[in-house]
Amino acid sequence: QVQLHQWGAGLLKPSETLSLTCAVSGGPFSGIYWSWIRQPPGKGLEWLGEISHSGSTNYNPSLKSRLTMSVDTSKNQFSLNLASVTAADTAVYYCARGTTGTTGRLDYGGQGTLVTVSS
Amino acid sequence: SSELTQDPAVSVALGQTVRITCQGDSLKKYFASWYQQKPGQAPILVFFGKDKRPSGIPDRFSGSSSGTAASLTISEAQADDEADYYCHSRDSTGYRWLIGGGTKLTVV
Repeated sequence: QVQLHQWGAGLLKPSETLSLTCAVSGGPFSGIYWSWIRQPPGKGLEWLGEISHSGSTNYNPSLKSRLTMSVDTSKNQFSLNLASVTAADTAVYYCARGTTGTTGRLDYGGQGTLVTVSS
Repeated sequence: SSELTQDPAVSVALGQTVRITCQGDSLKKYFASWYQQKPGQAPILVFFGKDKRPSGIPDRFSGSSSGTAASLTISEAQADDEADYYCHSRDSTGYRWLIGGGTKLTVV
């Protein structure tokens, strides 16, 4: 059974950098694109971006200038950095596995991390 | 259009059938997948592809697609089905995921 476990700082001040890491177990790490999704309080889901095991990335254009994703294949982990956060970045952040092709989907996901940006 | 559109809210009577719809140009190329999210919980995948349900999802959940539209059908709706439902698919370029705005399902 594929499992994703995520962690990172839950309280940030404006202008700081949000950093989260997600560890994958129970399934292959290679050949997969690994995504980050967020959900502001009371709102819908927003896809942030994805990274492959080889480090190729695709980002949501609306956040691209502040986003950096990285991968550590030796640990089956991938990470999210979001720079210069503001209160608008307050959300629950999820990591997720994405499969490709016409039947591609975001299937397994992490437990979620609430990140609050407040001065 | 590079987005997926869903009705904000739908209601269904207990035991009846409800269809939740998703509209977008990317659905001409990619199947929609469907998340169920209950309050305070992470979303879980309940349907994907032409006719696939993840392990543990009851066969009351089914899906269909035609052109730029996809739908998730829940038959014999139960109180436990009350949740937000999100469709998602690859965008037409294949380089990013699109997630619909979500549909809040109320079972009355």
